[in-house]
Amino acid sequence: QVQLVQSGAEVKEPGASVKVSCKASGYTFTSYDINWVRQATGQGLEWMGWMNPNSGNTGYAQKFQGRVTMTRDASISTAYMELNSLRSEDTAVYYCARLSLRWGSRAFDIWGQGTMVTVSS
Amino acid sequence: QAGLTQPPSVSKGLRQTATLTCTGDSNNVGNQGAAWLQQHQGHPPKLLSYRDNNRPSGISERLSASRSGNTASLTITGLQPEDEADYYCSAWDSSLSAWVFGGGTKLTVL
Repeated sequence: QVQLVQSGAEVKEPGASVKVSCKASGYTFTSYDINWVRQATGQGLEWMGWMNPNSGNTGYAQKFQGRVTMTRDASISTAYMELNSLRSEDTAVYYCARLSLRWGSRAFDIWGQGTMVTVSS
Repeated sequence: QAGLTQPPSVSKGLRQTATLTCTGDSNNVGNQGAAWLQQHQGHPPKLLSYRDNNRPSGISERLSASRSGNTASLTITGLQPEDEADYYCSAWDSSLSAWVFGGGTKLTVL
């Protein structure tokens, strides 16, 4: 079945970096953009950016510009999100989500299970 | 960056009808429409509807989405206990070149 499977939980110290992976299966990885969305505990969804797995092109939310990098390894159908200079406010569940185009509109139709990233000294 | 506006909470009785709203502007909902997501506690979001009431396969016909101007709505009829969840709207904002979400509505089924 179509799914996105993410890497496991991470605990990092302030100032460190974290790299989360998102492995796609059940569809052609290069045919759909992968987006990253995070959610702090008890809070709403926050969009971080997108990556085109075919070209490698990316677009980041202004808030994360200069601190986030989205990459991929198409040979293993895996997308990555790296966030640098971590601070306590980055503690959240990070999701990858597939962007689908149907009926002339776009939406996030497949989501990974989420990766908990905890930033603490 | 600016997001979409949703009421924080809505409470309705079993088998009643709930209508959730999502207000944006002409750069997002008014132009691109909105998609709706459902999230149960401890789970990732699940897509309920693309814009204009186009539902992925497997999504109940008790759900219907619509839009009027800059406001999108999700109506759920015949409320069931499993409908109790958080609901988010999302839209592409052409002025920000970014995806924006609503703050989410917690639906309680009494």
